[in-house]
Amino acid sequence: DTGVSQDPRHKITKRGQNVTFRCDPISEHNRLYWYRQTLGQGPEFLTYFQNEAQLEKSRLLSDRFSAERPKGSFSTLEIQRTEQGDSAMYLCASSPRDWDGTYEQYFGPGTRLTVT
Amino acid sequence: KNQVEQSPQSLIILEGKNCTLQCNYTVSPFSNLRWYKQDTGRGPVSLTIMTFSENTKSNGRYTATLDADTKQSSLHITASQLSDSASYICVVTRLLSNMLTFGGGTRLMVKP
Repeated sequence: DTGVSQDPRHKITKRGQNVTFRCDPISEHNRLYWYRQTLGQGPEFLTYFQNEAQLEKSRLLSDRFSAERPKGSFSTLEIQRTEQGDSAMYLCASSPRDWDGTYEQYFGPGTRLTVT
Repeated sequence: KNQVEQSPQSLIILEGKNCTLQCNYTVSPFSNLRWYKQDTGRGPVSLTIMTFSENTKSNGRYTATLDADTKQSSLHITASQLSDSASYICVVTRLLSNMLTFGGGTRLMVKP
């Protein structure tokens, strides 16, 4: 257990529905990341927050995806009008304020999304 | 083409044996390289991090090497245990970026 929690752990939804995932990072970490991982592949970067500011977004983050971190603590990732291609594991990670340039990231257990 | 390529894609070894996993990358300019272990259905857990100036780092039975000139890294696992069965993912960070570039992973299965 890294201290990063995600909720729910599993979500099954029908195509076209909206879903929202939550990530609670390690409390003193100011950086928070979202990744998507499909079966048999490595994670792909989606977006990154420093405190409440969303600083980087991947081109993978279509306009159906939105992420927030309103108070610089927990974050939510919402997918609107889900498609079957959205089925994946959604991973959240957090890292402390950089001191040596290595940005060590601690991953949560992930939310497994299945779109039927 | 993925900027981080790992080989082999999968590997089966007997308990107690050693193995070496490979990672080649093209990410540039380079900041650091990490190896993660990911159990099925879980998030990745960091094993090692190496910056440009480091060419080897150990974490128990795991030893990672880095050749920044040839842009290659390896992860050597000694005296494998059943609990080593997992995916091992090589991750490279570009200089001045917070974005991690992940390889596709090597799926290791250790059999008794």
